[in-house]
Amino acid sequence: DAGVTQSPTHLIKTRGQQVTLRCSPKSGHDTVSWYQQALGQEPQFIFQYYEEEERQRGNFPDRFSGHQFPNYSSELNVNALLLGDSALYLCASSLRWNYNEQFFGPGTRLTVL
Amino acid sequence: SQQGEEDPQALSIQEGENATMNCSYKTSINNLQWYRQNSGRGLVHLILIRSNEREKHSGRLRVTLDTSKKSSSLLITASRAADTASYFCATDALTDKLIFGTGTRLQVFP
Repeated sequence: DAGVTQSPTHLIKTRGQQVTLRCSPKSGHDTVSWYQQALGQEPQFIFQYYEEEERQRGNFPDRFSGHQFPNYSSELNVNALLLGDSALYLCASSLRWNYNEQFFGPGTRLTVL
Repeated sequence: SQQGEEDPQALSIQEGENATMNCSYKTSINNLQWYRQNSGRGLVHLILIRSNEREKHSGRLRVTLDTSKKSSSLLITASRAADTASYFCATDALTDKLIFGTGTRLQVFP
């Protein structure tokens, strides 16, 4: 039973560039949530996808966008990267009817230079 | 933090000792969860306690919840060096997203 997977593991980008991060949910899960965790801080909710639509959004600018595919996998896109976007990006999957049990992937470490 | 604070921010103990971490939150909740994170890696779910529960056990973990005080505690008994990690509480604030506390960094010395 595959757990939550994320790619890539690490990524280095330059200010102003765009980045796409990918997440495959745990087998059987239909809901994907994304979190940003700055170094030494707690994770912050970015948004959640279910049935290929954004269902909830945290306090993040429109530069952060996402997508969910029919197979429930998801992408997080960040445009016009800022130094402050450097963080660990965590994906969590769950079942819509049991959203409390969120399983996290290993994360993607993004560094913006 | 959007939801609350964890106390202490950091805790250092010897193997075999107990470790207690406290979490306070601000809004009504359906449940509260505790997660563990090893040095910059993914979060591992430890335990979930529902708002109508007061105490829950899982192995060496004991969690309490006091909804009247909007607080929870996590007790790790007989700690091991492998318990060294950051521990976060997370609440749902009556939504289906998780709101994390500020975390406690636990260091267990052999």
